[in-house]
Amino acid sequence: GAGVSQSPRYKVAKRGQDVALRCDPISGHVSLFWYQQALGQGPEFLTYFQNEAQLDKSGLPSDRFFAERPEGSVSTLKIQRTQQEDSAVYLCASSLGLLNTEAFFGQGTRLTVV
Amino acid sequence: DAKTTQPPSMDCAEGRAANLPCNHSTISGNEYVYWYRQIHSQGPQYIIHGLKNNETNEMASLIITEDRKSSTLILPHATLRDTAVYYCIVRVAGRDDKIIFGKGTRLHILP
Repeated sequence: GAGVSQSPRYKVAKRGQDVALRCDPISGHVSLFWYQQALGQGPEFLTYFQNEAQLDKSGLPSDRFFAERPEGSVSTLKIQRTQQEDSAVYLCASSLGLLNTEAFFGQGTRLTVV
Repeated sequence: DAKTTQPPSMDCAEGRAANLPCNHSTISGNEYVYWYRQIHSQGPQYIIHGLKNNETNEMASLIITEDRKSSTLILPHATLRDTAVYYCIVRVAGRDDKIIFGKGTRLHILP
């Protein structure tokens, strides 16, 4: 596709439920980033992949959060045993790689935990 | 933590130039200034970046002071579609590292 695609756009989960959020980066983009954005706040970094390698996961808030990118393209962010504080917009971004630092963002997945 | 300071909000009349300031007094010699914006319900969008020279593209101009401790993003003829949160970010170009967002400036374009 022409841009970064995220699905679903909206997700409502009951507290304790597991969720999986998908990101389809721009074709050929080496780098992929996940961000969490709470209402009224700027995006907060979660994790970063270069191809299939997860190079930085320092922003993941707990061990309930897990991300993967097994074939170096599509990525999935999984949240286990969701809590109300997990409610946020989850943004995915991709970029070409080391020498090109313009990142393109998807529209995000709005997660609401009830 | 973000390395930049921006006013929380600004107003600008439609058709006028919008000048958004940013302070980055601790910027290092190899750090670039980037600007992104986020329109409501969308992901952030890249606008422009620069090191020490002024830069211009089809969206905006970036003016960086000589000491590089502050910069101004200029939208020359603001329209209602420019209403958004604008983020000023410093990062090392050439490293595809994470972007650290601050709180940004919420720009309101007034009709």
